[in-house]
Amino acid sequence: QLQLQESGPGLVKPSETLSLTCTVSGGSISSSSYYWGWIRQPPGKGLEWIGSIYYSGSTYYNPSLKSRVTISVDTSKNQFSLKLSSVTAADTAVYYCARHTLLFGVPAAPDYWGQGTLVTVSS
Amino acid sequence: SYELTQPPSVSVSPGQTARITCSGDALPKKYAYWYQQKSGQAPVLVIYEDSKRPSGIPERFSGSSSGTMATLTISGAQVEDEADYYCYSTDSSGWVFGGGTKLTVL
Repeated sequence: QLQLQESGPGLVKPSETLSLTCTVSGGSISSSSYYWGWIRQPPGKGLEWIGSIYYSGSTYYNPSLKSRVTISVDTSKNQFSLKLSSVTAADTAVYYCARHTLLFGVPAAPDYWGQGTLVTVSS
Repeated sequence: SYELTQPPSVSVSPGQTARITCSGDALPKKYAYWYQQKSGQAPVLVIYEDSKRPSGIPERFSGSSSGTMATLTISGAQVEDEADYYCYSTDSSGWVFGGGTKLTVL
């Protein structure tokens, strides 16, 4: 059974960089059939797609976050990571990692999700 | 930026049919997907590619799309279906979620 687990600091100071890692078990991140991505949800609010990465390193980012986001993949560790720079209180959210299905060679819907991790931006 | 519009809330009695809509300009050309999110849990995919149901999702969940509107239908809604529902789609510049609809079944 595929499992995804987010890890990283739960508290980040304003203007610093948020860093999270997603560890995939029960399946290979090097599969040609999936993308891997990040989605976030501020407390009490809706979902926001952040970006997605293929095992080869090909990425898609949310245009509204693109200037601050970097998603990378480490196939040797079966992990992928998120870095979000220059964070503010508006970046406080539950961050989910997820597996995306493929549609015509680009990422489509997330079908497996991690449990999510709350990251708070505060001094 | 692209937006998907959902009603904030829908309320039905148990056994009734619940319909949740999602409006977006690119929906005539792009698939819609639907997620169910119960309190404190990660979202679960209930409909993909407009109308397909993943394995393990009850048959009472169905989806359709016509023009600029996609619809999630829950036929014979049950108390355990009470949750937030989000549509998800793209306009080719990126993927977006609708604002979410809180379904109350009581």
